Amino acid sequence: SYELTQPPSVSVSPGQTARITCSGDALSKQYSSWYQQKPGQAPLLLIYKDTERPAGIPERISGSTSGTTLTLTISGVQAEDEADYYCQSADRNSIWVFGGGTKLTVL
Amino acid sequence: EVQLVESGGGVVQPGRSLRLSCTTSGFPFDEYFMTWVRQAPGKGLEWVGVIKTKAEGEATEYAASVKGRFTISRDDSKSVVWLQMDSLKTDDTAIYYCSLSGAGWGQGTLVTVST
Repeated sequence: SYELTQPPSVSVSPGQTARITCSGDALSKQYSSWYQQKPGQAPLLLIYKDTERPAGIPERISGSTSGTTLTLTISGVQAEDEADYYCQSADRNSIWVFGGGTKLTVL
Repeated sequence: EVQLVESGGGVVQPGRSLRLSCTTSGFPFDEYFMTWVRQAPGKGLEWVGVIKTKAEGEATEYAASVKGRFTISRDDSKSVVWLQMDSLKTDDTAIYYCSLSGAGWGQGTLVTVST
């Protein structure tokens, strides 16, 4: 198995840009996803196939990749963006791995 | 509209068994892999396992932490996926979610393993 590493926390002021990273050796070989989870709620898919947004996810949320690092970028951060964010990847047998999660605090 | 509803959670003693169900609607169930994910109190997401489609032999994969104790099965005629959990441990205490390949999630069902 492999690991995905995220920073435990990121803090930004409203209107600023938040960037959350996810690193792992396998990320250069497999597509990955990002999820948002608010307290008491199920995860919500934000990004899939590294950069694709599902319908209903605003354009200010984007994903990018460079080598073995993924980045989730949230532009114009709002209070409602305060949540936990998880990256996730899968191997060729559809075995998933999650990052440890990043708590985004809006100051 | 995609809907997934888990049920079957509850309080169970260590060593006992529990079966969770995930009833789905709104998508062609037989065309999708179905995944179980859990989240221990105050912790992050942990992948539990996946069941593939009939076309892929309904093959299953499991996390090392549950392999040999948990079994995932599905019934395409009913659009239901199950998670059979045997030999439960206190570390299995978590909210259990079923997921449509990450794109859709149920609300989760809480399993508490305690004496």
